[in-house]
Amino acid sequence: QQQVKQSPQSLIVQKGGISIINCAYENTAFDYFPWYQQFPGKGPALLIAIRPDVSEKKEGRFTISFNKSAKQFSLHIMDSQPGDSATYFCAASSDTDKLIFGTGTRLQVFP
Amino acid sequence: KAGVTQTPRYLIKTRGQQVTLSCSPISGHRSVSWYQQTPGQGLQFLFEYFSETQRNKGNFPGRFSGRQFSNSRSEMNVSTLELGDSALYLCASSLAPSGSTLNYEQYFGPGTRLTVT
Repeated sequence: QQQVKQSPQSLIVQKGGISIINCAYENTAFDYFPWYQQFPGKGPALLIAIRPDVSEKKEGRFTISFNKSAKQFSLHIMDSQPGDSATYFCAASSDTDKLIFGTGTRLQVFP
Repeated sequence: KAGVTQTPRYLIKTRGQQVTLSCSPISGHRSVSWYQQTPGQGLQFLFEYFSETQRNKGNFPGRFSGRQFSNSRSEMNVSTLELGDSALYLCASSLAPSGSTLNYEQYFGPGTRLTVT
């Protein structure tokens, strides 16, 4: 019930392409879904977050799509750039629980 | 605004020793959470402090402990170090604690890389 399942484990995308990372959860009490980006040697950085009252949130090239009935949410990176190469983590929390993280997706964007 | 700072950045200890890591949250943030990150286990929650009180604790042995001071700075301590404690220890701060509907965005520090030999 506490797990957040993330896929794929790794992703290779051409520059200019779309990167898509998916996460699924079981706990219907989760009400906050952030995505973090982590570069080697750095701590995770908050990228974008969504609450279940909306189905989509866009910030620049980054979009979260949220499907409450399927208990899934995904990160789309449009026009992927080599500088986007990093590890991405999804996470979820509820009003009674701390953040639970997915296992991470290593994204490589080749020029 | 300065980000979350963690000291030291790197640490090498031997088995059986104990270690203290420090975290200074973003100014105004009163909630501090600690995570352990390893290649095999990913990001695992250790504990969360808010207003000097531990609010949540993850599934770690009692060798892992923490505290928070009145200025919101936090420390975590690991006693009797084991090889498996080698990891990146991350601190994250937020305005409000878990369970809040607002301002729960967590901001991470760069981490302390602990190596146990």
